[in-house]
Amino acid sequence: DAKTTQPPSMDCAEGRAANLPCNHSTISGNEYVYWYRQIHSQGPQYIIHGLKNNETNEMASLIITEDRKSSTLILPHATLRDTAVYYCIVIGGTDKLIFGTGTRLQVFP
Amino acid sequence: DSGVTQTPKHLITATGQRVTLRCSPRSGDLSVYWYQQSLDQGLQFLIHYYNGEERAKGNILERFSAQQFPDLHSELNLSSLELGDSALYFCASSVAGWSYEQYFGPGTRLTVT
Repeated sequence: DAKTTQPPSMDCAEGRAANLPCNHSTISGNEYVYWYRQIHSQGPQYIIHGLKNNETNEMASLIITEDRKSSTLILPHATLRDTAVYYCIVIGGTDKLIFGTGTRLQVFP
Repeated sequence: DSGVTQTPKHLITATGQRVTLRCSPRSGDLSVYWYQQSLDQGLQFLIHYYNGEERAKGNILERFSAQQFPDLHSELNLSSLELGDSALYFCASSVAGWSYEQYFGPGTRLTVT
């Protein structure tokens, strides 16, 4: 069974915040939430990760609910270059990175 | 630009042949990971090397092998190629022995005809 559920696609207007949700209701205490993205045919790009606290870096913010059963990746000012497939990955221990189907984000002018 | 380089960018070869894909990790990174991405199977982890030693194997076929050299660059060797081996091959690197914060190269697109 997949550890995460993401909407298959989303649209966002350029300049607006893109909020990408991820459900991970079976997450265990030692598992992290990682986000990657892949722009068409390019290598995946690490964005951010968190355990239970909200995190922010130069690319994005990650909001994790208090019960850790869901999270939201926020791109504060989306640009056309943010059009990509975004992967939410729940992982811990010595698991291997598994990229599911992700959310295809289309940023439009 | 992640700092990871891969060569060649594209490779076209025939069934039964052997090819070598090369990866140079980011400066300072000791780990190299190899992945295969095909249209029908998504991104699949193949193998992980840390400082010259194999550390983990994923769904890597026996026809495939890899190594990491003292200068930390890595090569993925694919032999007895089949049509189904056509895919994008990515390598990634990280500082630590095993990390989920991996930095991916631009990939090598392999086409087997």
